[in-house]
Amino acid sequence: NAGVTQTPKFRVLKTGQSMTLLCAQDMNHEYMYWYRQDPGMGLRLIHYSVGEGTTAKGEVPDGYNVSRLKKQNFLLGLESAAPSQTSVYFCASSAGTTHVREQFFGPGTRLTVL
Amino acid sequence: SQQGEEDPQALSIQEGENATMNCSYKTSINNLQWYRQNSGRGLVHLILIRSNEREKHSGRLRVTLDTSKKSSSLLITASRAADTASYFCATDAAYGGSQGNLIFGKGTKLSVKP
Repeated sequence: NAGVTQTPKFRVLKTGQSMTLLCAQDMNHEYMYWYRQDPGMGLRLIHYSVGEGTTAKGEVPDGYNVSRLKKQNFLLGLESAAPSQTSVYFCASSAGTTHVREQFFGPGTRLTVL
Repeated sequence: SQQGEEDPQALSIQEGENATMNCSYKTSINNLQWYRQNSGRGLVHLILIRSNEREKHSGRLRVTLDTSKKSSSLLITASRAADTASYFCATDAAYGGSQGNLIFGKGTKLSVKP
């Protein structure tokens, strides 16, 4: 039982390049989330999904796209990377709404955009 | 905007001492959660307290919630060097249609010296 895994762990991009971050969970959770964490800013929600085939915007969605084609996977895409997207990205999953449930986090992806 | 705000931003104590961290929030909540993040790692859920609960214990952790003051505290008793980490409070979003998303504070960085 691996929990929540993220690929890759580190990545360096040049401005304007694109990339996809992959999140996978093996807990059969319905809800999945993408956050970014910047120094002194805590975690901010980028996009989330309440089930396979659904996605919704969070607090800071601009510049990112997501897809949830399979229940266990949640992909985060950057179409044209910008230095402002340099951050640590965390994926999380939950069995239900956080009204009653905890979130399980992946180890993070450290992205640098030059 | 951030819902939860932790205080202090940083705390340094000796092993064996108790550590107290506080969290204040702005609007009504359904529950409040505390998470721990070790350096370079993902967040780990510690404890969840519902809005109708006033106190909750888990091992060396004690969480209180005062909904009238919109505040919570996390007490770690008999701290150990392994407790060195950042601690975040998280509350469910107050806006409608949030699907139970969490809003995280900026965290308290705890350092426990041996």
